[in-house]
Amino acid sequence: DAKTTQPPSMDCAEGRAANLPCNHSTISGNEYVYWYRQIHSQGPQYIIHGLKNNETNEMASLIITEDRKSSTLILPHATLRDTAVYYCIVRPGGNTGNQFYFGTGTSLTVIP
Amino acid sequence: NAGVTQTPKFRVLKTGQSMTLLCAQDMNHEYMYWYRQDPGMGLRLIHYSVGEGTTAKGEVPDGYNVSRLKKQNFLLGLESAAPSQTSVYFCASSYWTGDQPQHFGDGTRLSIL
Repeated sequence: DAKTTQPPSMDCAEGRAANLPCNHSTISGNEYVYWYRQIHSQGPQYIIHGLKNNETNEMASLIITEDRKSSTLILPHATLRDTAVYYCIVRPGGNTGNQFYFGTGTSLTVIP
Repeated sequence: NAGVTQTPKFRVLKTGQSMTLLCAQDMNHEYMYWYRQDPGMGLRLIHYSVGEGTTAKGEVPDGYNVSRLKKQNFLLGLESAAPSQTSVYFCASSYWTGDQPQHFGDGTRLSIL
């Protein structure tokens, strides 16, 4: 599985957009980009995933560069409840049963 | 919706004791997983199952056993607990198609003295 690189920590003002970057320069053509977050050592929460195209759901937007070597998770209006560790993961599709390799992620702190 | 439910939520064991952690999912998922998370680290896969009656080793399987007798349940067993197994254990499940996300339970916090 391709490795990912994320900044260890970021701050964001409440109400502003939080933009969390992720580098995955060795990503393969069949690997998806997933984002999860973990709040206060609760179970990881799925946010969004994509292959090539940008994706949006009720929680966030995922922007993937054209060469797919990096992506950005956007939380459009960050709230205090968005304070969490955010994990960027790449994983191949197909019926592999492969695990999700969680690194150390980005610790996002939303500041009042 | 219950999703993925783990029991117990907390447990303290003495070295050498045995116990079983239970994971139950109500989403009819084929795949189920057991991870452990240690302080300051990401999740590491212990064992997983791609269907009822099947199990496979993950990244850190030593000292653990698993069983998947029913599709909705995945059991993680510690036969002889060791202090190194003090951790937070997470169960997850997913559909069989490869691009589907895994859904996680809230974890079991296990301390071994």
